[in-house]
Amino acid sequence: GENVEQHPSTLSVQEGDSAVIKCTYSDSASNYFPWYKQELGKRPQLIIDIRSNVGEKKDQRIAVTLNKTAKHFSLHITETQPEDSAVYFCAASTGGSYIPTFGRGTSLIVHP
Amino acid sequence: SQTIHQWPATLVQPVGSPLSLECTVEGTSNPNLYWYRQAAGRGLQLLFYSVGIGQISSEVPQNLSASRPQDRQFILSSKKLLLSDSGFYLCAWTTWGGETQYFGPGTRLLVL
Repeated sequence: GENVEQHPSTLSVQEGDSAVIKCTYSDSASNYFPWYKQELGKRPQLIIDIRSNVGEKKDQRIAVTLNKTAKHFSLHITETQPEDSAVYFCAASTGGSYIPTFGRGTSLIVHP
Repeated sequence: SQTIHQWPATLVQPVGSPLSLECTVEGTSNPNLYWYRQAAGRGLQLLFYSVGIGQISSEVPQNLSASRPQDRQFILSSKKLLLSDSGFYLCAWTTWGGETQYFGPGTRLLVL
């Protein structure tokens, strides 16, 4: 089955810095890669996703890049703000599969 | 638009007591439904998923069970709770054949 590795487990940055979280996956058939943000005590919420026919996608301060050859994808957050502090999860799934495989999460701390 | 509900929001139960958590989805038909558990500070553990009424797949052996009596209703149950059942229980859904999971607000369960 699919295996998703996520690094780092904890990331501490100063407000205004950029943050990068990386995930690798094992199943070359995976073709959908969502990212979720989970604030303390809340539900995970989708913030951005990318499909395997696209190499990069941006939404304001957030971007995701995908390297299918190397089987890794990354979340980039620019100009971080304290409200970006949360746990971020990556996931990978295969078209036709009902089950995404999640990474173990990255705790992002943005210091004012 | 689609909405997912979970109740109760918080539950404190003694060891050995039964459990029933409910999840309902509005605004869609034939959703895929999922139950996840999240221990404190940990990742998302898939417990059960369902692609239709009466169709339940279990991902991990445990003393929990799930049922789907109606198209948009998913229930998580236990006959006798263990201390290790404590955690944050999240219900999620996708459209039929869809990829993106949307999570409910969650139920925080504390077993004493």
